[in-house]
Amino acid sequence: QQQVKQSPQSLIVQKGGISIINCAYENTAFDYFPWYQQFPGKGPALLIAIRPDVSEKKEGRFTISFNKSAKQFSLHIMDSQPGDSATYFCAATDSNYQLIWGAGTKLIIKP
Amino acid sequence: DADVTQTPRNRITKTGKRIMLECSQTKGHDRMYWYRQDPGLGLRLIYYSFDVKDINKGEISDGYSVSRQAQAKFSLSLESAIPNQTALYFCATSDNRGSYNEQFFGPGTRLTVL
Repeated sequence: QQQVKQSPQSLIVQKGGISIINCAYENTAFDYFPWYQQFPGKGPALLIAIRPDVSEKKEGRFTISFNKSAKQFSLHIMDSQPGDSATYFCAATDSNYQLIWGAGTKLIIKP
Repeated sequence: DADVTQTPRNRITKTGKRIMLECSQTKGHDRMYWYRQDPGLGLRLIYYSFDVKDINKGEISDGYSVSRQAQAKFSLSLESAIPNQTALYFCATSDNRGSYNEQFFGPGTRLTVL
């Protein structure tokens, strides 16, 4: 069973637009929520991460919004660029320090 | 990430064959992981090792085995490959400084079992 549910499965956004990917979780013991970015032919790489004691974290054009009460978090990519086209994974860390992964979102930014 | 290397990068094999995928890292990390990636399923953990003498099963260990030959080397074996083990396999590493550990991934091995 998937403990971290990610949506949408795929997303097409115009250049300059805002890309939004959502994740939801059930396990309240999760205490670290990273987002990974994967380009074709490469392994995933950490993009940005948040802890549940803050509601938002911003790094450049990338922002994580975190809603602890709703057990949801999302990735926002502002001014989306063709170079942002990739697969994005949300994840959460459990008590064993293992990452539980969402299913991934394939993002395509149209020029 | 060039610090984590995987061999081979691509492999086509037949049902019933024994296959070994190898992972080496120069990051000096104690923790190493093997994942498989399938479309629509994300990454699923097969095995993980927190040090040379500590190996643990992950979510989907059936049909797989591992060997941690040294801090820098972690191998994944399929003793008798079957078609539903066709997938993209990733090795990853992390350090052991607490729970918020970034994982560093290799470039992956694409395995096809006919």
